[in-house]
Amino acid sequence: GDSVTQMEGPVTLSEEAFLTINCTYTATGYPSLFWYVQYPGEGLQLLLKATKADDKGSNKGFEATYRKETTSFHLEKGSVQVSDSAVYFCALTVSGNTGKLIFGQGTTLQVKP
Amino acid sequence: SQTIHQWPATLVQPVGSPLSLECTVEGTSNPNLYWYRQAAGRGLQLLFYSVGIGQISSEVPQNLSASRPQDRQFILSSKKLLLSDSGFYLCAWSVRGPRSETQYFGPGTRLLVL
Repeated sequence: GDSVTQMEGPVTLSEEAFLTINCTYTATGYPSLFWYVQYPGEGLQLLLKATKADDKGSNKGFEATYRKETTSFHLEKGSVQVSDSAVYFCALTVSGNTGKLIFGQGTTLQVKP
Repeated sequence: SQTIHQWPATLVQPVGSPLSLECTVEGTSNPNLYWYRQAAGRGLQLLFYSVGIGQISSEVPQNLSASRPQDRQFILSSKKLLLSDSGFYLCAWSVRGPRSETQYFGPGTRLLVL
């Protein structure tokens, strides 16, 4: 079945460090790929998305490129801030009327000043 | 613009008591609706989804049920809560269509069963 695998956390970085959170997927169809972010005590917010191969999603300095050949959608940011501390979820959805999301297990990011 | 509401925000219930969590969406029509649960320190598990009034699909067998009495209202219920029902419950909606993709989440309800 379809699945998403994320790197295990927590990831601890100093402010202004470079961030990479790895995400790989398995899907039988042609999925759309997403990154969601969850700040402490809150619901999920869409961070960025890509709907086809080689698309790059970007938002708030974060980027991820849909790589079909490696079935990956790694999240990157050039310079993290303390306010980026949160849990990041990679997810996919395949074509269809239900729009069901399949999530990775989440990666906790802690940024220290 | 579209908004999604959940209530209550926090709930503490004894084992064996009933449960009713409500989710409503504003600013859109005919949405797909979803209930997820996030156990402490874990990822999100899809519990139910609905593509229309009265249409409910269950993803995992469990102690919970869902109903959609109105187009933009989605209710999560239980007749008798278990300790294992504790968690963070998130409702989400998406546009219905051939590629209904982006889901938008509510603020969540934190449930503690004692």
